[in-house]
Amino acid sequence: DARVTQTPRHKVTEMGQEVTMRCQPILGHNTVFWYRQTMMQGLELLAYFRNRAPLDDSGMPKDRFSAEMPDATLATLKIQPSEPRDSAVYFCASGLVLLGQAYNEQFFGPGTRLTVL
Amino acid sequence: DAKTTQPNSMESNEEEPVHLPCNHSTISGTDYIHWYRQLPSQGPEYVIHGLTSNVNNRMASLAIAEDRKSSTLILHRATLRDAAVYYCILRVKETSGSRLTFGEGTQLTVNP
Repeated sequence: DARVTQTPRHKVTEMGQEVTMRCQPILGHNTVFWYRQTMMQGLELLAYFRNRAPLDDSGMPKDRFSAEMPDATLATLKIQPSEPRDSAVYFCASGLVLLGQAYNEQFFGPGTRLTVL
Repeated sequence: DAKTTQPNSMESNEEEPVHLPCNHSTISGTDYIHWYRQLPSQGPEYVIHGLTSNVNNRMASLAIAEDRKSSTLILHRATLRDAAVYYCILRVKETSGSRLTFGEGTQLTVNP
C-alpha cells in the first residue's frame, strides 16, 4: 500500500532555530506539494514541484522558508529562523500528472506538527 | 480560482444517507469539481471528482447540477468513520499546474 511518508511527525523547537521537514512521495509520482494548516488560515498551499523543479512557491514566505527536492524520493521544507507564528501542521502530498491530463488525485502524508516556542 | 460555498457543519445519523451541498456559481466551463475529506488528525484524502455528469465510486456519489453552479456529495449510508471535514474544490484545468485551493469545508458529525 503506497503512502506518502513525512518525518518528523512532531517537532517542538525554540524561536530562532532551524527546522527541516522531510517528505518521501509515492514512488513514480512526479508532482509534490507542501501545504500548511492552521486553525486561523485553514489549508494553504506553500509550494509545489513537478519532476523536481519548483513550479510555484508564491505561498511561501521567501525570507525564511525554502523547499527543495534533492532527488525524486525526497522533498524538504526548511524554516530558518523559525518563529512562533510558523506553528502549524505541515502536509506533503504527491501525485502523478501526465501531459494533457486535466485531473490528478493528490495523496497526502500524515503531516508534521510543528510547535515553535 | 473560482470560489465555493459550503455549510460550516452538518449532522447525520449512522446508516442514513447524507447530502453535502456545494455552491460554485462562478465556475467556468473547464473547472473540475473535486471533493476531499479530512479525518481527525490525518491529511486530506480524495473522495471523488467530476466535470459535467454525475459520478459514482465506492466511497460516494457526486451529483452535478445541469448549470454546474452547484453540486452535492452523497454518502449513501453514513458510518461513524465518515465523520470528517469535507472540502468542495474547483480545480482549474492548467497545463502546468495542478493546484487545489481548499476552503473551510463542512464539518460532518455522524451520530450513532
